[in-house]
Amino acid sequence: DVKVTQSSRYLVKRTGEKVFLECVQDMDHENMFWYRQDPGLGLRLIYFSYDVKMKEKGDIPEGYSVSREKKERFSLILESASTNQTSMYLCASSPSLVYEQYFGPGTRLTVT
Amino acid sequence: AQRVTQPEKLLSVFKGAPVELKCNYSYSGSPELFWYVQYSRQRLQLLLRHISRESIKGFTADLNKGETSFHLKKPFAQEEDSAMYYCALKVSGNTPLVFGKGTRLSVIA
Repeated sequence: DVKVTQSSRYLVKRTGEKVFLECVQDMDHENMFWYRQDPGLGLRLIYFSYDVKMKEKGDIPEGYSVSREKKERFSLILESASTNQTSMYLCASSPSLVYEQYFGPGTRLTVT
Repeated sequence: AQRVTQPEKLLSVFKGAPVELKCNYSYSGSPELFWYVQYSRQRLQLLLRHISRESIKGFTADLNKGETSFHLKKPFAQEEDSAMYYCALKVSGNTPLVFGKGTRLSVIA
């Protein structure tokens, strides 16, 4: 059974803080993704990675960066958190871009 | 650009009534389409994909290339079907899925 885990279910940070969201998958998947999920806006892709140390911008990369030093781990970084980054963040992985994506439970981030 | 449109943000039906969640896509090539579902307090998961032509939890979806649609249907809604549903499009090449904005289905007892 594929397992995608995220480091926190809930996180509260202050404006201007640097925030790290961690995602780990245990199925040796090549591809990993970060989305944010907002009511009425659906899922929006922030960044994805198809290999270690590789990253590609998604639809809304501004204000975010990512890191993939190991195959199983994909980190999302908010360099200076802002209130408009309050959202649910979902991580996903897949064995290739053509296959099903497996999602983590999500991290609800609140920036005050 | 490829796009997925789910015209209804919220759909409410009575238990036992038929359900149709609409999904339209824009892509000129051969698409692959998926439906993902998120039940309350659960993670987002794949419900079905058009290439499998399967029925999952009583749901079916047929790809209509002429109408560029992939509507999700179920003849008799159950309360446990209440969830958020996302339609997703896979185009050719090294690109991720494109998701619609989602439809929240509420089945009323």
